[in-house]
Amino acid sequence: AQSVTQPDIHITVSEGASLELRCNYSYGATPYLFWYVQSPGQGLQLLLKYFSGDTLVQGIKGFEAEFKRSQSSFNLRKPSVHWSDAAEYFCAVGARNTDKLIFGTGTRLQVFP
Amino acid sequence: GAGVSQSPRYKVAKRGQDVALRCDPISGHVSLFWYQQALGQGPEFLTYFQNEAQLDKSGLPSDRFFAERPEGSVSTLKIQRTQQEDSAVYLCASSLARELMNTEAFFGQGTRLTVV
Repeated sequence: AQSVTQPDIHITVSEGASLELRCNYSYGATPYLFWYVQSPGQGLQLLLKYFSGDTLVQGIKGFEAEFKRSQSSFNLRKPSVHWSDAAEYFCAVGARNTDKLIFGTGTRLQVFP
Repeated sequence: GAGVSQSPRYKVAKRGQDVALRCDPISGHVSLFWYQQALGQGPEFLTYFQNEAQLDKSGLPSDRFFAERPEGSVSTLKIQRTQQEDSAVYLCASSLARELMNTEAFFGQGTRLTVV
């Protein structure tokens, strides 16, 4: 069965520092991988997605993620965090030929000035 | 409207009461999804529509949950005889293409259901 693990429940960084949020997935074939961000009172917004091809994916708001098949990981990175990046981040996996996403439990990012 | 609209934004129900949650997807979007997000958890899939056809309802937790999309646009998620464990945020998403993987799913702000 597909599953997603986000090992870090809560991360705190200083504004301007670099960021890496971890995501590990379990799936028998090459999955579709997604990162979403959820700000308080807002819906989920897609940051980036990986389907195939280049394993380094660029997204919105300066985020990027790298798909590493050998590690079953799809970590999200940003070189310099802004205070407005404080939110909940969800990694998700989708199987080809299906219609649903399997989400991780999320990582809450707090940014200090 | 410009995005996915859900109503009401907040709903408090007494245990045993029936509730109906509405989702207005983006106009022209073929696919519509419902997810349940419990406190401190990620969203969990409930059901999926392609136009008016409910193609996947494998995530509905019990027969008290029922979803419909009769005209292929607005969808309603109904929960009968609500129980405390139904307390969660219910998210609706819509996408333009038939297959989610070919497009982006846009999420609404959700309906927060509290059962007391």
